Amino acid sequence: QVQLVESGGGVVQPGGSLRLSCAASGFTFSRSAMHWGRQSPGKGLEWVAFIRFDGSEKLYADSVKGRFTISRDDSKNTVYLQMNSLRVEDTALYYCAKDHGVGGGSIWGQGTMVTVSS
Amino acid sequence: DIQMTQSPSTLSASVGDRVTFTCRASQSISSWLAWYQQKPGKAPKVLIYKASTLESGVPSRFSGSGSGTEFTLTISSLQPDDFATYYCQQYNSHSWTFGPGTKVEIK
Repeated sequence: QVQLVESGGGVVQPGGSLRLSCAASGFTFSRSAMHWGRQSPGKGLEWVAFIRFDGSEKLYADSVKGRFTISRDDSKNTVYLQMNSLRVEDTALYYCAKDHGVGGGSIWGQGTMVTVSS
Repeated sequence: DIQMTQSPSTLSASVGDRVTFTCRASQSISSWLAWYQQKPGKAPKVLIYKASTLESGVPSRFSGSGSGTEFTLTISSLQPDDFATYYCQQYNSHSWTFGPGTKVEIK
């Protein structure tokens, strides 16, 4: 079955960097667009970034533009989120998600927690 | 950017009740709308996509309708497992946006 497993979260100081990974299985990753989303403690869902199936298009939320970079490695069935210049307000549970498809809706992983604190 | 709103923000209901939530988009999104259920400490789970298509494995008591800018999610007979927060999401563009959520509480 479709599975997404995020990793790489942790505690980092403001201004620091982290790279999140999302390992995918159970579907044809190379044909799937992927997203990152996040959820701050006690808050709603926020979309963060998108990458087209072939990597030719990348989109970012205004709140992370210029600081975060999404990428993918189809040989490893993995999508990444490089997060630089982290701010306290970036503290959240970060999810990766498979794009909605013709035959089904989006699938989300269980998330990895990022805490930005001094 | 497309903005999404949901009402009500909280809904108190009893087991067996028929409940309906509303989601509105700031501009037309055709039928590119999904509904998610989220329970505390869990990832969001899609219930409905393309406004009215039931995700595989989701109970038939859930249904979605609407197009353009106004959408509804209906639970025909609320079950104990349904007490959760529900989010709508537009995917008319690849820059997804979510509504603020409707929390369904036990009355």
